[in-house]
Order: sequence, then C-alpha cells, then structure tokens
Amino acid sequence: EVQLLESGGGLVHPGGSLRLSCADSRFTFSNYAMNWVRQAPGKGLEWVSAISGSGDNTYYTDSVKGRFTISRDNSKNTLYLQMNSLRAEDTAVYYCAKFPTFVASIPRGFDSWGQGTQVTVSS
Amino acid sequence: DIQMTQSPSTLSASVGDRVTITCRASQTIGTWLAWYQQKPGKAPKLLMVDVSSLESGVPSRFSGSGSGTEFTLTISSLQPDDFATYYCQQYKSYSLTFGQGTKVEIK
Repeated sequence: EVQLLESGGGLVHPGGSLRLSCADSRFTFSNYAMNWVRQAPGKGLEWVSAISGSGDNTYYTDSVKGRFTISRDNSKNTLYLQMNSLRAEDTAVYYCAKFPTFVASIPRGFDSWGQGTQVTVSS
Repeated sequence: DIQMTQSPSTLSASVGDRVTITCRASQTIGTWLAWYQQKPGKAPKLLMVDVSSLESGVPSRFSGSGSGTEFTLTISSLQPDDFATYYCQQYKSYSLTFGQGTKVEIK
C-alpha cells in the first residue's frame, strides 16, 4: 500500500527558501509520475507541479514558475520541491500526490496522497 | 487555464438524502474529470476518474456523469461518513485545476 510522507515544512520569512521532501519505500517509486498540490488555509486545492517517473519532464503552475523546482531521486524513493523567493500567498499545506502512470505528459487524477506538510510564510 | 466551477458551495442534507453536486468547465474537457472527497484535517481521497469510474473501495452509492463541460457527482443515499467537502478536477491539460469545493453538511 502506498504511504507517502512529506517533510520539510515550517515557518519562513518572505523571500526565504524551503525544501520539501516526500518519500515512500512501499512501492516502486520510479514507476510513477508525482505531483505537489497545495491548500491555503480554509481554501480549496491548487495543483503546483508535476514530474515524470524518470524526472525528465516537469510542469508548473504559472504562479510558481521560476521560483519552485520539482525534482526526484529515485534511488532514495524521494520527491522534492525546492521553494525560493517565498511569498505570503505560498502559505499552505503542501501535499505530494501520485499519478497512476509513469508519464506526466498525459495527466491523470491523483490516486494517492501524503498527509501534508504546513508551509507558513510570514515576517 | 481551464476554470472549474462547482455548485452549490455548501449543501445541507440529511442521512438518506439523494445529493447532487455540479461541476462546470470553462471549456470542453471530454471525460478527463476526477472527483475527490476531503474531510477536515485530512488529505483528499480520490473517488472516481474519467467522470464515472469508481476507485477501488468507493461505495456504489457514489456515481458520476457528464461530458464536455458539465458534470455531476451523485450520492444516492447520503451516509454519515459522507459529510465532507467534494472537489472536481480536470486533467485534460496543464495547468491542472480543481473546482472550489462543495461542502456537504448535516441539515
């Protein structure tokens, strides 16, 4: 059974950086494209970024392009989100979420989710 | 980006009621639509993909329909465990987008 576990959240000042991680050793991690989805306090869900199983292809929502970088280390079964130039509007719970497929070029629904990690951007 | 609009935003219902949530896309998405259920403090749970294909373990009282730009999620007989917020999501193209959510609360 898939059990994704995020870490790395916390409180950061505007303009600061944070790196989130998401790991799961219970499935063949490299076989699946992965995503980050966030949820601001009291708000709905917002997709942030996707990466193919190989890591060769990445996708971003416009508001984070140039500031966030998604990556993965399949040898460690770990997904990352490097977040730079953080803004107050980036404050949210960040979930990693799995596609049921290897490729990210044909997106799908998210069939497994982590429990989320809180990111708070505030001075 | 494709905008997804759900209605209503909040729905008050009783156990046993038939409940319908509507999701509209700003442009045609074919059948590239998923539904999720989210309870407070928890991660979303995938209910169905491709408009109407139930995920394993999802009760048959949940059903989906529609194509193009208008879609519905129906719960045939609301159960206590179903009180939650529901989101639709299109995956026809990036940027992937969700509806704003429909909270199903106890009447």
